[in-house]
Amino acid sequence: EPEVTQTPSHQVTQMGQEVILRCVPISNHLYFYWYRQILGQKVEFLVSFYNNEISEKSEIFDDQFSVERPDGSNFTLKIRSTKLEDSAMYFCASSAPTSMGTGGGFTLHFGNGTRLTVT
Amino acid sequence: GENVEQHPSTLSVQEGDSAVIKCTYSDSASNYFPWYKQELGKRPQLIIDIRSNVGEKKDQRIAVTLNKTAKHFSLHITETQPEDSAVYFCAASISGTYKYIFGTGTRLKVLA
Repeated sequence: EPEVTQTPSHQVTQMGQEVILRCVPISNHLYFYWYRQILGQKVEFLVSFYNNEISEKSEIFDDQFSVERPDGSNFTLKIRSTKLEDSAMYFCASSAPTSMGTGGGFTLHFGNGTRLTVT
Repeated sequence: GENVEQHPSTLSVQEGDSAVIKCTYSDSASNYFPWYKQELGKRPQLIIDIRSNVGEKKDQRIAVTLNKTAKHFSLHITETQPEDSAVYFCAASISGTYKYIFGTGTRLKVLA
């Protein structure tokens, strides 16, 4: 069964440094997402991406964050200047193009996550 | 604002007993409610979902119920087994968007 893959599984960085989290969505999926989960808290939506542009973003997704699909397979999340509060598990997800009306009904396929630790 | 509350945060049951996890949502226009299971060190995976035009859905030992008037939905697991031990997340769709709002998760422990 095809899977979403994320690298690295764990990233440690110093405050103020830039990090790039990488994801390879399932090959025939066209919708891509980043969610994050601060330890012990809820899974939070960050951004959705379709047709090479952001479709939605949350309040968390400020100017320090950016996403990119640099080629036909990778989907990246960049944090320009990391803060302590960016420490979290970051999940990439993708969904299939069929039955993609707004308001749900599509299955999010998650990767295993990247645990980001900012020191 | 958009919110999903989930209770309890932890739940321990004896093997063979039933487990119930409850969620409430704020967006009255939400019309799709998936449940995800996350085993330790693994990715969240969809286990069951329900649309707002249905009151209940069952898949073997797992069922989900929805009360649109009260804006709450529940996951029911019967005849629990040790392999049911995991963190369970409820979620609700947000109308007019492609995003889901997740609950805070319930850590279920099934004691052998």
